[in-house]
Amino acid sequence: GQNIDQPTEMTATEGAIVQINCTYQTSGFNGLFWYQQHAGEAPTFLSYNVLDGLEEKGRFSSFLSRSKGYSYLLLKELQMKDSASYLCAVRGDYKLSFGAGTTVTVRA
Amino acid sequence: DGGITQSPKYLFRKEGQNVTLSCEQNLNHDAMYWYRQDPGQGLRLIYYSQIVNDFQKGDIAEGYSVSREKKESFPLTVTSAQKNPTAFYLCASRHRDLDEKLFFGSGTQLSVL
Repeated sequence: GQNIDQPTEMTATEGAIVQINCTYQTSGFNGLFWYQQHAGEAPTFLSYNVLDGLEEKGRFSSFLSRSKGYSYLLLKELQMKDSASYLCAVRGDYKLSFGAGTTVTVRA
Repeated sequence: DGGITQSPKYLFRKEGQNVTLSCEQNLNHDAMYWYRQDPGQGLRLIYYSQIVNDFQKGDIAEGYSVSREKKESFPLTVTSAQKNPTAFYLCASRHRDLDEKLFFGSGTQLSVL
């Protein structure tokens, strides 16, 4: 079966760094995605990792270790607008499975 | 601008009623998907379609039906057989061969009266 785990909630201060971890056990592996979702809105694509290592895009970075079944999303220089839910999703052999999401609250 | 449009934003269903959620995309994407989102749970796949006039059941298809008569449109009907329909419904699409990532619509919140 598919199992994707990520923390339920995280809180951080404006300007700080937050790391959201995601561990997975899936039937096969064909890529890992991170999406950002504000309440009541569409998820928007942040990153896609298919090979091991770090992908950096501005203030957001995503890391993947396929041997450990592990990824993290790193949010730097946090801004109030970064308060949202962050979804980890893994494409296995047959389908894309989502974790429950991590709600990040940024405080002034 | 290209995108995915879901309507309505909010929908209320009465007991025993079927309701249809609309999803339209002008991205020329082949594949379209319907997900259900409940608080504290990951997105769960209801139905998906890789090509016009073809669709497959996802993980939680019972009580739902779909059609794919046009490439741009993938409506979802929530039937009276779905006993717990209250949820946030998300439609998504992707270009099957060119792009791995999904593009999502803005969602429909369905509630039971």
